[in-house]
Amino acid sequence: DAGVIQSPRHEVTEMGQEVTLRCKPISGHNSLFWYRQTMMRGLELLIYFNNNVPIDDSGMPEDRFSAKMPNASFSTLKIQPSEPRDSAVYFCASTYDRPSQPQHFGDGTRLSIL
Amino acid sequence: AQKVTQAQTEISVVEKEDVTLDCVYETRDTTYYLFWYKQPPSGELVFLIRRNSFDEQNEISGRYSWNLQKSTSSFNFTITASQVVDSAVYFCALSGGGATNKLIFGTGTLLAVQP
Repeated sequence: DAGVIQSPRHEVTEMGQEVTLRCKPISGHNSLFWYRQTMMRGLELLIYFNNNVPIDDSGMPEDRFSAKMPNASFSTLKIQPSEPRDSAVYFCASTYDRPSQPQHFGDGTRLSIL
Repeated sequence: AQKVTQAQTEISVVEKEDVTLDCVYETRDTTYYLFWYKQPPSGELVFLIRRNSFDEQNEISGRYSWNLQKSTSSFNFTITASQVVDSAVYFCALSGGGATNKLIFGTGTLLAVQP
């Protein structure tokens, strides 16, 4: 079975540019999570969706970040405009909507903002 | 509030040694779930094992074993006969029993297994 698929794997762009990260969850999973990982702050939950509806976006750093889930098989995380401090690895994870179920992670997108 | 503490930031062992990774959690939920994840140098996050709060028995799977002790709020993970491929960052995580399936992660323990 295919796991969580994220694209791109790597992104290098200049400050001020718009960045869009994409995620395809595991088929049948109805919860989707976006995380950011940095050396300084570790793993941070940015936002999560249940049944395509955003449930908790309290981790989104500021208005420059936005996330959408237009359907059960696709989500995007957008940063506009990007800043060097946004450089991090961004992970998407999916699971079933039950706290007993483990989250399964994509391979991540390594984002570098110059 | 829920919290996960991994006090060991780095552990270094020699191959074939046993190693235990410590995890202490805080929660007010009576039902909760604990997880261990592995992040090898290649960067992906891999789910390893899960434990629910009403099962405190030791469990073993291959070289891995894990133990939940509610009296000390600890959820430790042991690798027996460690191998170089076990070198990774290991994260402990907690999920509450309420409506949310958010995970609270610890800060991770870097395990280095030397040949």
